Amino acid sequence: DAKTTQPPSMDCAEGRAANLPCNHSTISGNEYVYWYRQIHSQGPQYIIHGLKNNETNEMASLIITEDRKSSTLILPHATLRDTAVYYCIVRVARPSGSARQLTFGSGTQLTVLP
Amino acid sequence: NAGVTQTPKFQVLKTGQSMTLQCAQDMNHEYMSWYRQDPGMGLRLIHYSVGAGITDQGEVPNGYNVSRSTTEDFPLRLLSAAPSQTSVYFCASSSQTSGRAHPHEQFFGPGTRLTVL
Repeated sequence: DAKTTQPPSMDCAEGRAANLPCNHSTISGNEYVYWYRQIHSQGPQYIIHGLKNNETNEMASLIITEDRKSSTLILPHATLRDTAVYYCIVRVARPSGSARQLTFGSGTQLTVLP
Repeated sequence: NAGVTQTPKFQVLKTGQSMTLQCAQDMNHEYMSWYRQDPGMGLRLIHYSVGAGITDQGEVPNGYNVSRSTTEDFPLRLLSAAPSQTSVYFCASSSQTSGRAHPHEQFFGPGTRLTVL
């Protein structure tokens, strides 16, 4: 799996958009970009994933650069409940066996400020 | 659906004691796994299972056993607890054939916080 690099921490004002960057310069053509988050003391939660195109769901938007070497997770209107550690993970399309594990790095601690 | 459930939520053990952490899912997922998370660190895979009767080791399997007799349950056994096993344990499940979820979306339980004295 491609290695990812994320800033260790970010702050965002409540109600504003939170933009969380992720670098994955060694990503392969068949690897997806996944985002999970972990709110304090809870299990990780899936947010969104993408391959090439930008994606949007009810939680967030994912913007992937044309060369796929980086991406940005956007929380359009951050709330205090979005304070969490956000993990960017790059995975092959259909892994099997132990490759199905998610490799969590350090992630980005997002703090939404009132 | 209850999703992924874990019991107990908290546990304190003495060194050398054994215990089983329970994990169950009601989504008919084939794949289940156990992770541990130490303070300030990411999750590390302990053991995983791709279906009933099939288990394999992950990144940090020493000191733990698993079995998968049913699709729903995937217990994690600590054979002889050590202080180094103090951690938060998460169980997760996913399906290659789930109709709604992306095949790689993993669903996590709420965790078991284990302290070994």
